[in-house]
Amino acid sequence: TQLLEQSPQFLSIQEGENLTVYCNSSSVFSSLQWYRQEPGEGPVLLVTVVTGGEVKKLKRLTFQFGDARKDSSLHITAAQPGDTGLYLCAGAPFTGNQGGKLIFGQGTELSVKP
Amino acid sequence: DAGVIQSPRHEVTEMGQEVTLRCKLISGHNSLFWYRQTMMRGLELLIYFNNNVPIDDSGMPEDRFSAKMPNASFSTLKIQPSEPRDSAVYFCASSRARGSRETQYFGPGTRLLVL
Repeated sequence: TQLLEQSPQFLSIQEGENLTVYCNSSSVFSSLQWYRQEPGEGPVLLVTVVTGGEVKKLKRLTFQFGDARKDSSLHITAAQPGDTGLYLCAGAPFTGNQGGKLIFGQGTELSVKP
Repeated sequence: DAGVIQSPRHEVTEMGQEVTLRCKLISGHNSLFWYRQTMMRGLELLIYFNNNVPIDDSGMPEDRFSAKMPNASFSTLKIQPSEPRDSAVYFCASSRARGSRETQYFGPGTRLLVL
């Protein structure tokens, strides 16, 4: 069974602080996505990384795909209260994937206090 | 364009009753995914379809669960009979094409409570 482990599970920080969320697996993925979910809503895609070592930036968010395509990280600079939410990583397995299947991590619940 | 539409948004039922969850895909999308989210297990893929055809149903918990796509824009997930352990938030998501790099657009979810 392919698993994605996220850490930390919970993170409570003050506005302006930096943070990093990790997504790790022993399996290789063809691509990895990061989603953000707010209470009462479905997850919304933030980014897709495809190439090992790839780095993508989305304003204050920086996403990195590990060289071996087994792990990823999300770094937020100068966090804002609006960044509060559940962050989910999702990997696309190579094998047995006939199109579109994603395996989700358990999520990191981020709370940014003003 | 409207996003993925799910109904009902909330459902409370008693153990043993049949539950039907509904999902309308975004127009032009041809892949449909059903997920279940709980605190303990996170977001789990139950089943997904491409062009109305079920591709992978390995995540469906047991025979009490069934999913259909009667047409290209609509899907149902049925639980019969329901049990308290089925209580969760059920999401459907659609994407434009087959492929793991495609963006999946999630609906708002159906919050199911089985008493």
